[in-house]
Amino acid sequence: GQQLNQSPQSMFIQEGEDVSMNCTSSSIFNTWLWYKQDPGEGPVLLIALYKAGELTSNGRLTAQFGITRKDSFLNISASIPSDVGIYFCAGSTSNTGNQFYFGTGTSLTVIP
Amino acid sequence: GAVVSQHPSRVICKSGTSVKIECRSLDFQATTMFWYRQFPKQSLMLMATSNEGSKATYEQGVEKDKFLINHASLTLSTLTVTSAHPEDSSFYICSADRALTGNTIYFGEGSWLTVV
Repeated sequence: GQQLNQSPQSMFIQEGEDVSMNCTSSSIFNTWLWYKQDPGEGPVLLIALYKAGELTSNGRLTAQFGITRKDSFLNISASIPSDVGIYFCAGSTSNTGNQFYFGTGTSLTVIP
Repeated sequence: GAVVSQHPSRVICKSGTSVKIECRSLDFQATTMFWYRQFPKQSLMLMATSNEGSKATYEQGVEKDKFLINHASLTLSTLTVTSAHPEDSSFYICSADRALTGNTIYFGEGSWLTVV
């Protein structure tokens, strides 16, 4: 199946720093989702985006649906140790079909 | 709280045996569920789409006779790995669409399968 290009692949940052990651696709998407996955667990939904240009926050997390509808960004402000994990983006070309394609993941390490 | 529950979380089976993994939607009905496979440090790969009351739709390269999917009710889908081999050892994750406010999928906790 199709995979999205997600970058960076991994990040090592100091506690308190801000983090940015993004996902790009060659296809136009109608929905973007961002997940966090801890080792040995299923992905947990962080933010859902449904409209081009939409900017949505969830605590220290902010995600944006790119204007071109081919990309999305996730920002984490003032990182803390529990932010450690793998972050995945997922995009869907359908409004109802639920067929989602996943990014390759960004591994985040926060150094106390 | 969790909206999709998966069981068992870990299972070890012998080569040649079959093992069943359950995926339940909690407090909502899901006509469609999805099964993914994830190898260590890799992304999720969609295996099949489970449709309530009809046959599952498998992604290219996924053997439907090896990975049997049954979506018998609006809240339960099962994945049975038949005649398991060590190379089937993996993390299997299901998801379901809650669709309260839009196109969103929620994941189960995942099931670690180890075939020895």
